[in-house]
Amino acid sequence: EAGVTQFPSHSVIEKGQTVTLRCDPISGHDNLYWYRRVMGKEIKFLLHFVKESKQDESGMPNNRFLAERTGGTYSTLKVQPAELEDSGVYFCASSLSLATGRAFFGQGTRLTVV
Amino acid sequence: AQSVAQPEDQVNVAEGNPLTVKCTYSVSGNPYLFWYVQYPNRGLQFLLKYITGDNLVKGSYGFEAEFNKSQTSFHLKKPSALVSDSALYFCAVRTSGAGSYQLTFGKGTKLSVIP
Repeated sequence: EAGVTQFPSHSVIEKGQTVTLRCDPISGHDNLYWYRRVMGKEIKFLLHFVKESKQDESGMPNNRFLAERTGGTYSTLKVQPAELEDSGVYFCASSLSLATGRAFFGQGTRLTVV
Repeated sequence: AQSVAQPEDQVNVAEGNPLTVKCTYSVSGNPYLFWYVQYPNRGLQFLLKYITGDNLVKGSYGFEAEFNKSQTSFHLKKPSALVSDSALYFCAVRTSGAGSYQLTFGKGTKLSVIP
């Protein structure tokens, strides 16, 4: 079984540019989550999709962040325009069941804004 | 609001010795508790979870954790540490109630197993 896949693994962009991160969840997993870890701090929840609908986006930091999941398969997270404080590792996770709670994580995308 | 505390930024242990990585939590209602591990340049890997039932949970790679409701703790343990256990360990919690399924993570504890 393929795991959660994230692209790219690393991205270095200049302040003010746009970056799009992609996540391919495990096939059949309706639940998809985005998390972020800023250097040395906690991993913070960003949002949760159930299929193509946003179930919970309470963790999105501001309107420079836009997440989509068209068709309920892969998801993208766009940051526009990027700021220095957006640097960190962005993790995507997916789960089959909300009841059991276990989420499978991707390897993360390390974003550096310079 | 839910929260997780991992009081130790780093834990050092000699190979073959028992190890403990501490975690305490705060959540409304009954907790679902998780341990994840991150090896260098890898994603988060699931180790074990507590949902309900037996307070002692056994997981991958010989790890186990004990749920203690009165102390709101979920410490990770292993009887005999291996050098390959060296990694970053995260404790996470979410409420068992419906409506919010987000995990709240601790800051992580770096475990170093010394040969």
